[in-house]
Amino acid sequence: EAQVTQNPRYLITVTGKKLTVTCSQNMNHEYMSWYRQDPGLGLRQIYYSMNVEVTDKGDVPEGYKVSRKEKRNFPLILESPSPNQTSLYFCASRLEVNTEAFFGQGTRLTVV
Amino acid sequence: QQQVKQSPQSLIVQKGGISIINCAYENTAFDYFPWYQQFPGKGPALLIAIRPDVSEKKEGRFTISFNKSAKQFSLHIMDSQPGDSATYFCAAFDSWGKLQFGAGTQVVVTP
Repeated sequence: EAQVTQNPRYLITVTGKKLTVTCSQNMNHEYMSWYRQDPGLGLRQIYYSMNVEVTDKGDVPEGYKVSRKEKRNFPLILESPSPNQTSLYFCASRLEVNTEAFFGQGTRLTVV
Repeated sequence: QQQVKQSPQSLIVQKGGISIINCAYENTAFDYFPWYQQFPGKGPALLIAIRPDVSEKKEGRFTISFNKSAKQFSLHIMDSQPGDSATYFCAAFDSWGKLQFGAGTQVVVTP
């Protein structure tokens, strides 16, 4: 089954404790991206990657890092999480730039 | 700053009625306009999409109307059903692949 898999689905952590949210896709897609979803703001792009070893900032990259060492994986790293990073996070992938984006199930992160 | 402005924030429609959601954009570099549907606890899923060389696209009960000169597009849900109750997001791609979303519209269809 074609899918984008994120882990974990839920995470509660404390301020400053480094964490990684994993994202993997099995569709051989070139393009992957991370979004955060906050009430009243829709989804905002954090980082995106057009191919292996190619990443670029989205609209809200501060406090986040990503890496794209393999085509299928695109982890999101929070080196020092803060409470304002409490949000619902989605990973997405698509075959090419202007094609359908497939989203993961989401990761609900709470930073206390 | 939201590059794609979506309205209304929420709407309630009776079963069988028409739901209409509007979006507006400023960036003329946008060249692909999808609509996503999201149910609670799920990721957004593509519902229907349109390119700016087309003024209307229909798929089943869902229709996108696109007005390039006004930089506006809208989603019409005909014969709304309770199963259509969800949050709907309009979005726009630019040619570098950045996907900009509207703030979302929560649609509730009453029986």
